[in-house]
Amino acid sequence: QQQVKQSPQSLIVQKGGISIINCAYENTAFDYFPWYQQFPGKGPALLIAIRPDVSEKKEGRFTISFNKSAKQFSLHIMDSQPGDSATYFCAASDTDKLIFGTGTRLQVFP
Amino acid sequence: DAGITQSPRHKVTETGTPVTLRCHQTENHRYMYWYRQDPGHGLRLIHYSYGVKDTDKGEVSDGYSVSRSKTEDFLLTLESATSSQTSVYFCAIAWKEETEAFFGQGTRLTVV
Repeated sequence: QQQVKQSPQSLIVQKGGISIINCAYENTAFDYFPWYQQFPGKGPALLIAIRPDVSEKKEGRFTISFNKSAKQFSLHIMDSQPGDSATYFCAASDTDKLIFGTGTRLQVFP
Repeated sequence: DAGITQSPRHKVTETGTPVTLRCHQTENHRYMYWYRQDPGHGLRLIHYSYGVKDTDKGEVSDGYSVSRSKTEDFLLTLESATSSQTSVYFCAIAWKEETEAFFGQGTRLTVV
């Protein structure tokens, strides 16, 4: 049973466009929601994270939107660039455990 | 990269043999995790540790065991390797719960 559901599986965006990746969870005990970025051949690296006491967090071109009542959160990448092409993972943490979604492969074309 | 090293980086082994992967950190972080990454499944938590000799199961722990006798080392053992355990294995560390996790470079394991 997938505890964190992520969609879409893949995403193609034109340069300058907005990339949106969605995640949903069931466990209401989750209280830390990070997004990780992974380039081929590398380990994932933290991109941005949010806690459920806020509905939005922005860092540069990256924004997390969080809807606690719907148990959903999403990553928005504004002005997408070819260098953003990577696999993105949402995750959720319940104290000790860090559970990941299935990943979204983003391709940004010039 | 954070001070985290996985070894070996690549391994090919035969079905039925035991295999041990090592994760070594120099950051003195409390938490250590083992994940496997497979197409269509993302990163799945195998086992994790929240201190020396303190470990717990993750989502896909069957067929795997772990040990942590020192803060810096977290070992993952495949007791009897199967082809379904062919995967890329990542170790991660975090200094406390619900903080940034730093990942190693991964170990590509092939079971033939």
